[in-house]
This record gives sequence, structure tokens and C-alpha cells, in this order.
Amino acid sequence: TQLLEQSPQFLSIQEGENLTVYCNSSSVFSSLQWYRQEPGEGPVLLVTVVTGGEVKKLKRLTFQFGDARKDSSLHITAAQPGDTGLYLCAGDLAGNMLTFGGGTRLMVKP
Amino acid sequence: GAVVSQHPSWVICKSGTSVKIECRSLDFQATTMFWYRQFPKQSLMLMATSNEGSKATYEQGVEKDKFLINHASLTLSTLTVTSAHPEDSSFYICSARDPAGGLDTQYFGPGTRLTVL
Repeated sequence: TQLLEQSPQFLSIQEGENLTVYCNSSSVFSSLQWYRQEPGEGPVLLVTVVTGGEVKKLKRLTFQFGDARKDSSLHITAAQPGDTGLYLCAGDLAGNMLTFGGGTRLMVKP
Repeated sequence: GAVVSQHPSWVICKSGTSVKIECRSLDFQATTMFWYRQFPKQSLMLMATSNEGSKATYEQGVEKDKFLINHASLTLSTLTVTSAHPEDSSFYICSARDPAGGLDTQYFGPGTRLTVL
């Protein structure tokens, strides 16, 4: 059982559609990060959320941290083929290392 | 921004041989580096935490005698897969933490793809 559960695991949508990816846990995190990874490359940090209820926006991406700091969501508006990739959430439990969720593989078709 | 490099980017080796992977922080000193393994279509799994000047801390289920970690300097950590077998084939990713910042100053390398024949 993973500490961080991501859903959905796979998502295939058409260009222009909206989508939301969820990251849930029963544990409280001091911070949570979202990464995007392309095949054959390392993860690239998109955002860090720290405060319960925090909302951060990065162009068409909106990130939210749950009030209790146990869950987070990533919403993409008007997805584009360039958004295709593996999206990973990662939480900081002990203040020193990251625990990764299982990942959501997104494919946006033109 | 800060950069972490890995070498080699890919390696193919015969079963039974040992392979060394290097992880370098290029413009900052990292007292802590992390090694992850990622199987196809899966997420990253932390293998071990590499601490400069001391022994690495291994996650449960990771054999420390098989995956040797050496963090000899503040900019270099190495992972040696000893007596590699086909089941060790994976994508190995390191990350380095800039001690000057918080957790979001952890930078990931580009990964090393290991294929054991």
C-alpha cells in the first residue's frame, strides 16, 4: 500500500479538455510537491504547496492543497499535447525526504 | 537553476558484472543525495539516502551489499550495482538537496537507464 495514492493512474483525453488528478493520503504532510516527468528524463518540479487550503496557479495548471494537508489536486485547463507526461505527487513527511505517489500517466491527443 | 548530472545516461552490461553510476551537483554542495529506482510505467521508489562523510541509509528491502553507495564529496555520490542481474534493469535517478533551502530545493538528475543482459 502506497502512502500517497494518485488517481487516475492513466488518462487519455483530447486536446482542449480539462482534467483533474488527485493525490490522497491518510497522513499529514508538511509540504507536497507536484512533478512532471517525460520518458527517459528525471522529474521536473512544478510546484510546492505548504499551507492547508493553499491554491497555486501555473499558467493552465491549478494546484490545491487540502485543508488538512492530507491531499492535493492538480487541475489542467484546456489540455495540450505538450502536457503529455507522467505527473507525480510527492509529500514530505519527516522533513528530509520525499515519498512519491504512484503517478498519473497523461496522454493528450491532438 | 541548479543542475544535477548523472553519468552514464545509459549502460548495458552482462549479468554478473558491476556498474557504477555517478551523481553530481554542479553548482551547489549537497550534503544529502537520494537514489531512486523507477521501473517502466511506475513511480519512483526511494532506495537510499546518501550522506556525505557517513554511511548511506537504505530503505527497507534494498540490499546494501548489492547497491553500494559512496558519498565521497559534497558534489558527488556514486551508486554501484554489484553483480548485476536482469532484474536490476531499471531507470536509476538521483536527487541532490541544496542545504541552503527547504525541501523544494531538491533537484533531480536526468536518470541512468541500466539494462542487464
